[in-house]
Amino acid sequence: GQNIDQPTEMTATEGAIVQINCTYQTSGFNGLFWYQQHAGEAPTFLSYNVLDGLEEKGRFSSFLSRSKGYSYLLLKELQMKDSASYLCAVRDRGSWGKLQFGAGTQVVVTP
Amino acid sequence: EAGVVQSPRYKIIEKKQPVAFWCNPISGHNTLYWYRQNLGQGPELLIRYENEEAVDDSQLPKDRFSAERLKGVDSTLKIQPAELGDSAVYLCASSTSRDRAGYGYTFGSGTRLTVV
Repeated sequence: GQNIDQPTEMTATEGAIVQINCTYQTSGFNGLFWYQQHAGEAPTFLSYNVLDGLEEKGRFSSFLSRSKGYSYLLLKELQMKDSASYLCAVRDRGSWGKLQFGAGTQVVVTP
Repeated sequence: EAGVVQSPRYKIIEKKQPVAFWCNPISGHNTLYWYRQNLGQGPELLIRYENEEAVDDSQLPKDRFSAERLKGVDSTLKIQPAELGDSAVYLCASSTSRDRAGYGYTFGSGTRLTVV
């Protein structure tokens, strides 16, 4: 199984940058995902890392260090619509598709 | 292309009553998941299907929960009888069987269950 830890809440100003950290412990690793979830809505896929390094996708970037069991999601040029919960999820090796989710980090963007 | 469709969107029932949720996955997605999400928490897997076979139901409370996926397409999740602690959002998701592209899977909008 996995233990996935991420901060409960973060607050940042519109236009700023926020970094959401995620640490995990797993018996077998086969990918890390970040999802965005607005209140009352379904989680939507943001990014995927399976190798060490940085994946950039527009204003969002995700980083992975497998040796440290660590990932972060970087949100740049924050917009009000980025206020949401951000879920870190880890996939087990040998269990295709099954994701274990963290509790989520609530990001609040202020004017 | 329609996404993952779930119904109903909301459900309020009294404790000890039965309730059922329905899910229609994305066409061609062989793998279907039911997750439960409590307030302020991440989703937790209840059951995973590969076509019509339940391949992981280790976290499904089998004394009161049941699920089926007839013909490997639509799925139904049932609770009987419901308890107050079952109040949560029930999310259905689907994916291709070998998700090598790393797109995770697509969630439906969920059913928000309130047991009173």
